[in-house]
Amino acid sequence: EDKVVQSPLSLVVHEGDTVTLNCSYEVTNFRSLLWYKQEKKAPTFLFMLTSSGIEKKSGRLSSILDKKELSSILNITATQTGDSAIYLCAVEGGGSNYKLTFGKGTLLTVNP
Amino acid sequence: EADIYQTPRYLVIGTGKKITLECSQTMGHDKMYWYQQDPGMELHLIHYSYGVNSTEKGDLSSESTVSRIRTEHFPLTLESARPSHTSQYLCASSPRQGVHNEQFFGPGTRLTVL
Repeated sequence: EDKVVQSPLSLVVHEGDTVTLNCSYEVTNFRSLLWYKQEKKAPTFLFMLTSSGIEKKSGRLSSILDKKELSSILNITATQTGDSAIYLCAVEGGGSNYKLTFGKGTLLTVNP
Repeated sequence: EADIYQTPRYLVIGTGKKITLECSQTMGHDKMYWYQQDPGMELHLIHYSYGVNSTEKGDLSSESTVSRIRTEHFPLTLESARPSHTSQYLCASSPRQGVHNEQFFGPGTRLTVL
């Protein structure tokens, strides 16, 4: 059974801090790892990492995939209060027929 | 920005009622999904569809049923709601084309069964 574990489960920082969120996985025939940001509503897509694209960056957010360690990190630099959200990690395995397995998420709170 | 809609956004009903949660997408995506999410917990896949007339049960056992008569529409039905069905229900879709599975989510329906 595919498994995704995120850490920490919650994190409180001050504006301007840099944070690193972790995601580790056990999956059959890894295909891709995805990061989502979930505020009060639906998860919104951030990044997809694959064997051919192990590092992604968008503004203050960046993510790296470590296939050897079966893990990924999501970095957020110069955090803002608008970054407060739950960050979800999901993995697509080769045997899952386009299904994603999600972690519990990391609740990030950025205080002014 | 993804165009996927869910109605109602909030629903409070009594035990035993039949309810249908609506999900529609205007992107022409073949693949659609229903997830259940409790506070502080993972998203759990309860149903998915690869196209019209295709429906499959997900990883989490659910007493709900789904149908896929049109590409854009993927409603979820509970024949007799119970308090254990209280949860947030998220609908998602992704295109068939491409190897990977970036999913776009709707805003969710928060269901409370009294």
